[in-house]
Amino acid sequence: DAKTTQPPSMDCAEGRAANLPCNHSTISGNEYVYWYRQIHSQGPQYIIHGLKNNETNEMASLIITEDRKSSTLILPHATLRDTAVYYCIVSSFYNQGGKLIFGQGTELSVKP
Amino acid sequence: EPEVTQTPSHQVTQMGQEVILRCVPISNHLYFYWYRQILGQKVEFLVSFYNNEISEKSEIFDDQFSVERPDGSNFTLKIRSTKLEDSAMYFCASSPPQGLNTEAFFGQGTRLTVV
Repeated sequence: DAKTTQPPSMDCAEGRAANLPCNHSTISGNEYVYWYRQIHSQGPQYIIHGLKNNETNEMASLIITEDRKSSTLILPHATLRDTAVYYCIVSSFYNQGGKLIFGQGTELSVKP
Repeated sequence: EPEVTQTPSHQVTQMGQEVILRCVPISNHLYFYWYRQILGQKVEFLVSFYNNEISEKSEIFDDQFSVERPDGSNFTLKIRSTKLEDSAMYFCASSPPQGLNTEAFFGQGTRLTVV
């Protein structure tokens, strides 16, 4: 079973920041937090991952709380193309060989 | 940009037949995976493959399933004696050799319909 909890759905206005929360209170020390998204029924797309420091790339920012029990994915200027299901996954490549356990995710709807 | 490619995009097969789903991972990647997604349900891990052998498999990946890397570029999933409940999107993924924590790159999937 997935070790994360996410709201089932969220709305965001186009051009505004989308902040997607994730709880992972049972995360272990060697597990990373990964975010993927799935647009329609396409293959999941990697967004970002982190261990304990905040991370930023061209797609998004990842904010991880100091106790690592929760995180927030931030899409700084959401567009209609960001409408997708967003998955927060905790995983240890070292222990799990890269296996990803997907939950139900958050269905983000970006509205004009 | 390099990408994982899967063929065919859609496969229809009769119940009881064998199917082979094909994937070409990104060329310098070393870790390979198959996932599936039944319509309206979660993406489910099937199997991971490294150094020419299965490194981990889920309960779904029973004797009906097998994987193979027949050459340096292809990675295949074989489903023997397909059942109606095998109808799903099957996604191949690969990961680069960048240390202990790295991302997976997914293909666009093969939609398998068993009739």
